Amino acid sequence: DIVMTQSPDSLAVSLGERATINCKSSQSVLYSSSNNNYLAWYQQKPGQPPKLLIYWASTRESGVPGRFIGSGSGTDFTLTISSLQAEDVAVYYCQQYLSTPTFGQGTKVEIK
Amino acid sequence: EVQLVESGGGLIQPGGSLRLSCAVSEFTVSNNYMSWVRQSPGKGPEWVSVIYSGGNTYYADSVKGRFTISRDKSKNALYLQMNRLRAEDTAVYYCARDRSEGGSRLGAFDIWGQGTTVIVSS
Repeated sequence: DIVMTQSPDSLAVSLGERATINCKSSQSVLYSSSNNNYLAWYQQKPGQPPKLLIYWASTRESGVPGRFIGSGSGTDFTLTISSLQAEDVAVYYCQQYLSTPTFGQGTKVEIK
Repeated sequence: EVQLVESGGGLIQPGGSLRLSCAVSEFTVSNNYMSWVRQSPGKGPEWVSVIYSGGNTYYADSVKGRFTISRDKSKNALYLQMNRLRAEDTAVYYCARDRSEGGSRLGAFDIWGQGTTVIVSS
């Protein structure tokens, strides 16, 4: 299975500031035939299921605010929250779906 | 409103069996790729099983041979039969729809239920 490793495990950011979460896969999740990265990002708030934010590494799901930006290719990916809002406090997970789906261990985002 | 509602979780002894159900509203289970995903406390989610719209089924190695995914067209529901349960199966179990594009499964999950808790303990 492809192992997904996120960093940091947690971070505290001031309201309105940028939050950056990194995700590294143990092998490339770029499918060369389609040039798509099989990488998704989720947000999970306490007591709720994960919510899909981004797929294909950078495509926002319908209704997801523009401050959530996915980037990266191959084995290294980033989720950026460009201007942190109070409602963005959550745990964020990356997930690859090139092969048997696997998730990262999560990054907890808090307000400083 | 699109809704997935899981039920059937509970406390079960090691070696026991449970059947989880997922009632789906506002879309047709048999026309979609549907998965079970579980999450142990403080851990990332773990994909468990998928049933394709065509009926093919696939399982994580950790549950292969013990769990069976199925669906009922008339009830528009998804199921997970779990046998020979182990302590490490303790988790919140979610049913989720696999996002698809052009009829192909992505493997990312765009709609989730609220989950049902399974605790395997003596």
